[in-house]
Amino acid sequence: DAGVIQSPRHEVTEMGQEVTLRCKPISGHDYLFWYRQTMMRGLELLIYFNNNVPIDDSGMPEDRFSAKMPNASFSTLKIQPSEPRDSAVYFCASRSSYNSPLHFGNGTRLTVT
Amino acid sequence: GENVEQHPSTLSVQEGDSAVIKCTYSDSASNYFPWYKQELGKRPQLIIDIRSNVGEKKDQRIAVTLNKTAKHFSLHITETQPEDSAVYFCAASSRNTPLVFGKGTRLSVIA
Repeated sequence: DAGVIQSPRHEVTEMGQEVTLRCKPISGHDYLFWYRQTMMRGLELLIYFNNNVPIDDSGMPEDRFSAKMPNASFSTLKIQPSEPRDSAVYFCASRSSYNSPLHFGNGTRLTVT
Repeated sequence: GENVEQHPSTLSVQEGDSAVIKCTYSDSASNYFPWYKQELGKRPQLIIDIRSNVGEKKDQRIAVTLNKTAKHFSLHITETQPEDSAVYFCAASSRNTPLVFGKGTRLSVIA
């Protein structure tokens, strides 16, 4: 298995632009998570899905952030409009059940100027 | 919700010495406790995990202990090597809560 696949690896954009991050979880994994990592806040959970259904989005910073999972093999995290404080590494991760290991993608490093 | 505290935030040890990282959690329903290692510029990777029906687990130089009564768990690395230098994260979860991570410990192994 190729693991969790994220794209792009790096994204540089200007403030106000829309940013879309993509994720393909490991096949057969029912849970998908979006985390944001910064030096100040560490690894923060933004949202997670179970069987394509959003379960908890309380970590989404504000309405500028949205996430979708249209099918079991694809999810997107969208920021519109982007702001410099959104600069961070965004990780997608998946797992097969609630107490099984979580597998991370390689992350997307987002820089908003 | 779950809250995970991790200490210390930084740790320096001499090569060959042991390193211990400690975490506490708040939700008594938590029953899964993994540890992740993250090297610079890379993704977090699972190094060991423990479930609540077990008090200790070992894998070569790495061991994890769990005290459910006190709600704390620890990572022990023996005979540290320079390649052990990284940021280590603990985490906790239950059936109804996703993984919540500690803030991380930056381990430096000095040759």
